[in-house]
Amino acid sequence: QVQLQESGPGLVKPSGTLSLTCAVSGGSISSSNWWSWVRQSPEKGLEWIAEIYYSGTTNYNPSLKSRVTISVDNSKNQLSLRLSSVTAADTAVYYCARDPSHRGYFDYWGQGTLVTVSS
Amino acid sequence: QSVLTQPPSVSGAPGQRVTISCTGSSSNIGAGYDVYWYQQLPGTAPKLLIYGYNSRPSGVPDRFSGSKSGTSASLAITGLQAEDEADYYCQSYDNSLSGYVFGSGTKVTVL
Repeated sequence: QVQLQESGPGLVKPSGTLSLTCAVSGGSISSSNWWSWVRQSPEKGLEWIAEIYYSGTTNYNPSLKSRVTISVDNSKNQLSLRLSSVTAADTAVYYCARDPSHRGYFDYWGQGTLVTVSS
Repeated sequence: QSVLTQPPSVSGAPGQRVTISCTGSSSNIGAGYDVYWYQQLPGTAPKLLIYGYNSRPSGVPDRFSGSKSGTSASLAITGLQAEDEADYYCQSYDNSLSGYVFGSGTKVTVL
């Protein structure tokens, strides 16, 4: 059973950088699957942020692309997210999720981690 | 603000059938992209309900079914049960936004 676990600071200061890690267990990140970050806030609902393949190939939400970096560490079986120049609008629950064979949907999700942007 | 529009809420008595609509446009559902459905219980992550052409992951009851026509899709829940009370979201791909998009979400209440 594949499991995903997000981790990172729960509080980030405005204009700072949000950094999260997603540890994958029960399966290899170096498979035919793609891995995404999705966030959820009361204001914006569910919002897809970015996706990555184990080879390092990435796709980004154009609305966030200038501030987002997604990366993968195959040796640690984990993926990461960095979001720069954060504002209160970036306050949300952040999820990592698996897209099986790039079929366009998400079959496994982490439990999510709340990140609050505040001074 | 969401690209895919859903009714904020639907309700029904136990045993009844309810449907949730998901309205998109020619750049997502209307372009032929598949529509997927998720169930989210309070305080938990979304759970995949429907994928592909009306397929369900193991463990999802066949009371849940999906359909698509034109620029819209629907999720039907038959034989509504108390445990179905949750938020439901549709999801697809949008070629003008070049990314995955979600619906605004629908809260299902079992009366």
